[in-house]
Amino acid sequence: DAGVIQSPRHEVTEMGQEVTLRCKPISGHNSLFWYRQTMMRGLELLIYFNNNVPIDDSGMPEDRFSAKMPNASFSTLKIQPSEPRDSAVYFCASNRGTDTQYFGPGTRLTVL
Amino acid sequence: AQSVAQPEDQVNVAEGNPLTVKCTYSVSGNPYLFWYVQYPNRGLQFLLKYITGDNLVKGSYGFEAEFNKSQTSFHLKKPSALVSDSALYFCAVRAPGFQKLVFGTGTRLLVSP
Repeated sequence: DAGVIQSPRHEVTEMGQEVTLRCKPISGHNSLFWYRQTMMRGLELLIYFNNNVPIDDSGMPEDRFSAKMPNASFSTLKIQPSEPRDSAVYFCASNRGTDTQYFGPGTRLTVL
Repeated sequence: AQSVAQPEDQVNVAEGNPLTVKCTYSVSGNPYLFWYVQYPNRGLQFLLKYITGDNLVKGSYGFEAEFNKSQTSFHLKKPSALVSDSALYFCAVRAPGFQKLVFGTGTRLLVSP
């Protein structure tokens, strides 16, 4: 069974550009989580969805960040406009109910 | 509020020696506790979890963890370390009925040959 799939694996963009990160959760999982990892702040939960509905977005840094889950097999995290301080590794994770969360390989974002 | 503390930024151990990575937690109610490992340029991989039952939990790659309710700890252990165990280890806690995992800051394990 495939794990959590994220794309792209690496993204380099210039300040001010729009960035879209994509995630496909494990089939059958009904919860999806977006995390950000930086050296300074460690691993932060940005937002999570239950059955495609956003439940808690209190970790989203500011209005430049938005996330959607149009169906059970796809989610996006968008940053518009991007800034250098958004440079980080962004992880997507999924689970079923309150079971163990399984993580994707991450997207390394560099904003110049 | 839930919280996790990993008091050591780094743990150094020689190959073949036992290793311990420490974790303490704070949560209301009975905790759900997890250990994850992260290798360079990879995502977090699930190692083991404690939900209920036996306080000693066995997981992947020969790792185990001991739940100690009185000390609110969930230390990760392995009897004999391998160089390939060198990685970043995260402890996480979840309160019953909640979905959010709260992670510690991570402990870097370095196993020398």
